[in-house]
Amino acid sequence: QQQVKQSPQSLIVQKGGISIINCAYENTAFDYFPWYQQFPGKGPALLIAIRPDVSEKKEGRFTISFNKSAKQFSLHIMDSQPGDSATYFCAARRNAGNMLTFGGGTRLMVKP
Amino acid sequence: EPEVTQTPSHQVTQMGQEVILRCVPISNHLYFYWYRQILGQKVEFLVSFYNNEISEKSEIFDDQFSVERPDGSNFTLKIRSTKLEDSAMYFCASSFGGRVDNEQFFGPGTRLTVL
Repeated sequence: QQQVKQSPQSLIVQKGGISIINCAYENTAFDYFPWYQQFPGKGPALLIAIRPDVSEKKEGRFTISFNKSAKQFSLHIMDSQPGDSATYFCAARRNAGNMLTFGGGTRLMVKP
Repeated sequence: EPEVTQTPSHQVTQMGQEVILRCVPISNHLYFYWYRQILGQKVEFLVSFYNNEISEKSEIFDDQFSVERPDGSNFTLKIRSTKLEDSAMYFCASSFGGRVDNEQFFGPGTRLTVL
């Protein structure tokens, strides 16, 4: 019940295209849903996050869509650029607790 | 911009040996965490630490693991008797507060290889 399932495992997108990564969770106690971006040799870095009281959050080219009833959320990267090539992790956190539960990761490659 | 630092970047050890992984969290942060990532797998939570005690730990964090804040700047993870399956990237993280939306900042990681 603590799991967060992420798909796809890998994604290839042309420059300028839209990258879409999906996550699903079971635990209704999760109250915070961040997305992390990780470049090779670096630790995960927070990209954007959402609370379940809103259905969408946009920051620049990055948008989270959140469907509370379906227990799913997704990351959309508009106008994808080669510099976006990285591994993306969705995560979830309960209100009572410090632990981030991560999805399995998606390796994104944006072709020039 | 302040950042979490970790040393060493790569540690190689023999099975059964003790290792200590070191982290310097961001200076005004109060909550500290260790996560690990086995090669090709997801990032997994190990432990969180606040006010000089463990506030939460996962099933992975058994008696072989311990954490300590030996002084005002360092935060360490000790593995007493390493096993082959402890080989992973270990990430330290810190946050200013413990609220659910307080960002956890991650260090670059220490790659632990157990032979």
